[in-house]
Amino acid sequence: GQQLNQSPQSMFIQEGEDVSMNCTSSSIFNTWLWYKQEPGEGPVLLIALYKAGELTSNGRLTAQFGITRKDSFLNISASIPSDVGIYFCAGFFRNTDKLIFGTGTRLQVFP
Amino acid sequence: DTGVSQDPRHKITKRGQNVTFRCDPISEHNRLYWYRQTLGQGPEFLTYFQNEAQLEKSRLLSDRFSAERPKGSFSTLEIQRTEQGDSAMYLCASSLTGKETQYFGPGTRLLVL
Repeated sequence: GQQLNQSPQSMFIQEGEDVSMNCTSSSIFNTWLWYKQEPGEGPVLLIALYKAGELTSNGRLTAQFGITRKDSFLNISASIPSDVGIYFCAGFFRNTDKLIFGTGTRLQVFP
Repeated sequence: DTGVSQDPRHKITKRGQNVTFRCDPISEHNRLYWYRQTLGQGPEFLTYFQNEAQLEKSRLLSDRFSAERPKGSFSTLEIQRTEQGDSAMYLCASSLTGKETQYFGPGTRLLVL
């Protein structure tokens, strides 16, 4: 079935460092969503992207919708301990309302 | 705006028992989705409603699973004759028609012994 591949699978960084992760697909997506999930909780929406090339920020987070519409990137600047969690990209499969999630990037931030 | 709520947050049951979960969406949202998430994976789509109508069901949703949204507000997900493989986090999300962003609840973690 359709898969979104995220990389890296996990990251261990020091507080204050910048983080970059990406999400790729074999199919074109019209919308990209980035979520963060903490243990035992549901995913929390961070950023939504609707147009190829779009660059959107939310505080220290910046995400981009790739020009090919087959990828998206999320950057976190000046990481802090509360950034710890799993970051998922998600998109709608073939113009359906079925949201497909990526494999996740686990972020660990050390003080 | 109280967000999406789910009840219970945790459920432990014995194999073969039936369980029912409830989801209350954001009040003005007419679309409601159910997802399942197993450890180390992203959420997987199960089914969704627009108002009372169930519009799509995943192949993951076996005959033992049934979801309802009788009045177009809250929804229930029932699993009959639970199996150990049903152990997972069950997530609910809601959105508005025409708005693609889905907002998730905290989930119900099910453990089948």
